[in-house]
Amino acid sequence: AQSVSQHNHHVILSEAASLELGCNYSYGGTVNLFWYVQYPGQHLQLLLKYFSGDPLVKGIKGFEAEFIKSKFSFNLRKPSVQWSDTAEYFCAVRHYNNNDMRFGAGTRLTVKP
Amino acid sequence: KAGVTQTPRYLIKTRGQQVTLSCSPISGHRSVSWYQQTPGQGLQFLFEYFSETQRNKGNFPGRFSGRQFSNSRSEMNVSTLELGDSALYLCASSPRGAGGTDTQYFGPGTRLTVL
Repeated sequence: AQSVSQHNHHVILSEAASLELGCNYSYGGTVNLFWYVQYPGQHLQLLLKYFSGDPLVKGIKGFEAEFIKSKFSFNLRKPSVQWSDTAEYFCAVRHYNNNDMRFGAGTRLTVKP
Repeated sequence: KAGVTQTPRYLIKTRGQQVTLSCSPISGHRSVSWYQQTPGQGLQFLFEYFSETQRNKGNFPGRFSGRQFSNSRSEMNVSTLELGDSALYLCASSPRGAGGTDTQYFGPGTRLTVL
């Protein structure tokens, strides 16, 4: 069955710490990969996406993610987090030719000032 | 360009009632997808509409239905509401809805509470 796993339910960091959020998927075939962020009281926003090409993709606000096909992973990273990065982060996967997107359970990130 | 809009933002209903939620996609977008977000189940895909036709459907009972109009606006309907239908219902639009390089943009959601 198709599934998306986010290993960390809640991550707490201090400002300036480095961040890595894990995402693994179980999907047959070619996939598109996404990270979305949901700030408190706001709607889901796209952070970054991977369709093809360079497996290291850069998104908004200094975030990046690396697609490792052999590990079925798409981990999100940021070298130095800020208090304003406090939010819930969702990894999402879909088959390349349709819009049935499957989301991970989300990781809540709390950044302490 | 205006984003995805959803109305109403909040709804309170009682068990057994039915409810209709509305979504207006970004101008020019022809695909609309619906998701249910709950603390226990997370974000789950309900269905996708493109050119007034349902193209994909998630694993939800037939009480959940939807439609899309010629202007790409979409509605979803839940009949015979149950307590477990309490959730945030999210709508997402994309230009073509055919995967590929298409990207979904989400609306703010409708918070449905079933009493």
